[in-house]
Amino acid sequence: SQQGEEDPQALSIQEGENATMNCSYKTSINNLQWYRQNSGRGLVHLILIRSNEREKHSGRLRVTLDTSKKSSSLLITASRAADTASYFCATNGGSQGNLIFGKGTKLSVKP
Amino acid sequence: EAGVTQFPSHSVIEKGQTVTLRCDPISGHDNLYWYRRVMGKEIKFLLHFVKESKQDESGMPNNRFLAERTGGTYSTLKVQPAELEDSGVYFCASSQVYQGRTEAFFGQGTRLTVV
Repeated sequence: SQQGEEDPQALSIQEGENATMNCSYKTSINNLQWYRQNSGRGLVHLILIRSNEREKHSGRLRVTLDTSKKSSSLLITASRAADTASYFCATNGGSQGNLIFGKGTKLSVKP
Repeated sequence: EAGVTQFPSHSVIEKGQTVTLRCDPISGHDNLYWYRRVMGKEIKFLLHFVKESKQDESGMPNNRFLAERTGGTYSTLKVQPAELEDSGVYFCASSQVYQGRTEAFFGQGTRLTVV
């Protein structure tokens, strides 16, 4: 069954605006990770938040985690055209390190 | 340090043919994973190697898919015979447990198109 599920599925904003993407999951987790995929390229790890953490920052990224609601959000502040990509949340699955991904949010940042 | 590399980056084959994808993990990483993203859908786990052993292959769709990791270094994923629904992007990732964290590093993926 699908674990991470992002919304919105697509998001289009202007450069300089903030972008918020949400992720919901179904089972208990040890951590939740966010990845980015630029068109035609591989997955890039953005940030990991542990189940006992509520918020984490990395540069222009801010991730929150609400384990009671089984949800997480990724905020990109002051977006740039280079942020255009698909963003995925992933949670730990069965075997060690096995990740379960959602369908992703396709972000388009217009210059 | 070289990252995870995958070959080829793109492959177009006809239905019924065989294709072999290769993944070179980061040197020293015992864990190697294969994932697949079929167009428009989520990225799905296929299988997990720990060194040369298959730890979990619960995500392999059917017996047309064969993954190997001889010697615990690089891995291959063979699809034989390929079907139209096998089209998608195949990702490989590797990781090594570090201070209780297992961050996976992904390759750029192989885009497989079956026509």
